[in-house]
Amino acid sequence: EVQLVESGGALVQPGESLRLSCAASGFMFGIYWMNWVRQAPGKGLEWVASIHPDGREKNYVDSVKGRFTISRDNANNSLYLQMNSLRVEDTAVYYCVRAERRDGPSCYRAFDIWGQGTKVAVSS
Amino acid sequence: DIVMTQSPDSLAVSLGERATINCESSQSVLYSNNKNYLAWYQQKPGQPPKLLIYWASTRESGVPDRFSGGGSGTDFTLTISSLQAEDVAVYYCQQYYGIPLTFGGGTKVEIK
Repeated sequence: EVQLVESGGALVQPGESLRLSCAASGFMFGIYWMNWVRQAPGKGLEWVASIHPDGREKNYVDSVKGRFTISRDNANNSLYLQMNSLRVEDTAVYYCVRAERRDGPSCYRAFDIWGQGTKVAVSS
Repeated sequence: DIVMTQSPDSLAVSLGERATINCESSQSVLYSNNKNYLAWYQQKPGQPPKLLIYWASTRESGVPDRFSGGGSGTDFTLTISSLQAEDVAVYYCQQYYGIPLTFGGGTKVEIK
């Protein structure tokens, strides 16, 4: 079964750091672009970051540039999001998401597999 | 950034009736390969989103054929031809033409 399982969410104070993890199974993780997408409580979806299959190319939404770092370990089928200098507005459910590759690998693809999400709450 | 605008914010439709959701992008998402870089997702309460439609009109495997996507360039629609109880959800459009990848604000579909 194709599966993404996130972990690492927690309640933290503004300015603190957190590292999210995503364990992939059931597919060849190392050939897919992977993403993080977040959803603030009661709000819509916001793409956060994407990473090339080999990890060399990364993209970020402006609001997290310089604070968040996406990375991956293909040997262990894992995706990560290092979040530093957290702000109240980073409070959200964070989803690990796979970009489909039926027409070849690219960051410009729809998101076909989503994890269940992990909650991050930033509050003093 | 490409801004995605969905309408309406919510709609209530009787069982078996048609539901239509609109999505407008602030710039064309039609690429030179003649593909529209536009997807639709369904999110039910307490669940992650689920891909319904990609390339604006291609149904994802396993998605019922009552769901269809249309449009090109900047104007798109998601149609549920005969609403079922299990279709109650929030629906999002998304462009994957440019970075940042962006979503519409969502449309909540309910039963009338």
